[in-house]
Amino acid sequence: SQKIEQNSEALNIQEGKTATLTCNYTNYSPAYLQWYRQDPGRGPVFLLLIRENEKEKRKERLKVTFDTTLKQSLFHITASQPADSATYLCASPPSGGYQKVTFGTGTKLQVIP
Amino acid sequence: SQTIHQWPATLVQPVGSPLSLECTVEGTSNPNLYWYRQAAGRGLQLLFYSVGIGQISSEVPQNLSASRPQDRQFILSSKKLLLSDSGFYLCAWSGQGHEQYFGPGTRLTVT
Repeated sequence: SQKIEQNSEALNIQEGKTATLTCNYTNYSPAYLQWYRQDPGRGPVFLLLIRENEKEKRKERLKVTFDTTLKQSLFHITASQPADSATYLCASPPSGGYQKVTFGTGTKLQVIP
Repeated sequence: SQTIHQWPATLVQPVGSPLSLECTVEGTSNPNLYWYRQAAGRGLQLLFYSVGIGQISSEVPQNLSASRPQDRQFILSSKKLLLSDSGFYLCAWSGQGHEQYFGPGTRLTVT
């Protein structure tokens, strides 16, 4: 069956360092991957979308990569700040479908001052 | 600009009581609409989605139902709540760009 997984439940990192979060998918080839940020008690907020023919996408201190060989997307936050502390979710549509997405369980990032 | 509203923000209901959660979107037309549930410490579970008025796709068979009576209105209902229905309910919309925009959510506690 098609799966999207974020294997790290939590990640602690020192302020100023680069945080790297991983999203893996199995048994399908998504046309794109999305990354969202969720703060406690709030709905997720869309951050970035990367398509299967794009290797890398950047937005300010955020960078996302898409490796179709490894079946993996990496999400980087450079020069991390305590305000970046949140849960980060990846999501993708199933094969052949674009009307819905499946979310990973998320990685809780804690940036330590 | 687009805005998505959900109400109520919190709700405490006894087991066996009915449920109605409403979601409305402003500033866009013909959006795809979604209902998700997030249990404490868990991921987002897609419950229903709709690509148009009266068109509802159910992802998880359960005692919940959804309706879309108007283009920008999405309603989640139950005739009889179960304890397992407790959770954080989120409505979302998406347009042509595929990214999803979420509402503020409803925290439901079934007692």
